Order: sequence, then structure tokens, then C-alpha cells
Amino acid sequence: NAGVTQTPKFRVLKTGQSMTLLCAQDMNHEYMYWYRQDPGMGLRLIHYSVGEGTTAKGEVPDGYNVSRLKKQNFLLGLESAAPSQTSVYFCASSYSFTGDTQYFGPGTRLTVL
Amino acid sequence: AQKITQTQPGMFVQEKEAVTLDCTYDTSDPSYGLFWYKQPSSGEMIFLIYQGSYDQQNATEGRYSLNFQKARKSANLVISASQLGDSAMYFCAMREFNAAGNKLTFGGGTRVLVKP
Repeated sequence: NAGVTQTPKFRVLKTGQSMTLLCAQDMNHEYMYWYRQDPGMGLRLIHYSVGEGTTAKGEVPDGYNVSRLKKQNFLLGLESAAPSQTSVYFCASSYSFTGDTQYFGPGTRLTVL
Repeated sequence: AQKITQTQPGMFVQEKEAVTLDCTYDTSDPSYGLFWYKQPSSGEMIFLIYQGSYDQQNATEGRYSLNFQKARKSANLVISASQLGDSAMYFCAMREFNAAGNKLTFGGGTRVLVKP
């Protein structure tokens, strides 16, 4: 049981390049989330999904797109990376009922030059 | 207005002593949950403890306890008998049950350094 995994762990991009971050969970969770964490700050929600085939915007969605084609996977895309997107990205998942905690992946450290 | 406020950016604690991390929240939702996460230097987010707004008792998990004062809208984390491995960032978070997607809102965190 791997829990929540993220690929890749580290990445360096040049401004304008695109990339996709992959999140996978094996806990059969309905809900999945993408957060970003900037230095000295808490996590901020980018996008989330309440089930396969659904996505919704979070607090800071601009510059990102997501897809949830399979229940176990949640992809975060950057179409044209900017230095302001340099951050650590965390994926999380949870069951649908409201009292359940979110389980986090190990994070992806992204640097945009 | 900030939904979650952690006023202590950093603090030192002596090994084996207890430490209290402050967290205040703001919500008009009558049903909500409060969470504490630990983030060690390795970067992962580790769930510590959960308190529901209707829970009658304060939550406890081993050396962690949550001092929940609903009228004051505070949910302070108490770590008893601190260990060197407790050195980390600690984040308070809230889930408002009426919020779509059971979203969590995080505070800015408190860095704890345990001194031997």
C-alpha cells in the first residue's frame, strides 16, 4: 500500500516550458487535491476533484490545469511555466465524508528559471 | 480576513518539556473540522490530530492533544514531553463542512525547534 505518490520529485523548467505532475493514490479515495507551498507559508489549494471526471478551482488556479480521467490519478499541468510557479507542489486525497483527513504525497519541488 | 491564524512563527522548547502551539480560526459554518499537520525538514505532511466542531471532548493522540475552545475559536496543539524528533513546522488547518470538496484551509505554520 503506497498511499499517495507523486512523480517527479524534482524538476527544473525554463520559462515558457510545459510539464505535467502526476499524483496517484491506491486508497480508493474519491477526493483529490493539488496544493502549492511557497517558502515560509502554508499550503494553498490550486485545484481539486470530487470524483473521476470532475475538477474544480481552488484558491490559486491561474496558470494551472488539471485532469482526473481515472479515479486513482490526478494530473496537474503547467502549460507555460513562469518563475512565480517555483514552489513545492503537494497532492492529497481523502474519502468523501467530511470528517476524514487528507493524506499527502511527498511533494514535488519545481524550479522555473 | 484570515480563516486560520498561527501567530507564532517560531519557538524553542527544551527536550522533555511541553509546548503549546496557537491556532485561531474564523468561520460562520456551524460544522467544521480542525486538523494539525507536522512537516519535518524532509518535507512530507504528516497528519497528527483532528477535532470536529461538535466533539464534546478534546482530541488526544499519544503525546498530542488539542485544546479546543469553541467560543474563543481556538484550537491549540499541545505536545507533551517534547522529543528531538518533534523539531518541524506545524500547520493548523480547517475544513468547513459546507465548503465544496471538503477543502482544507491552512495557517502559515509554526516552526518548533527542540533543544537537547
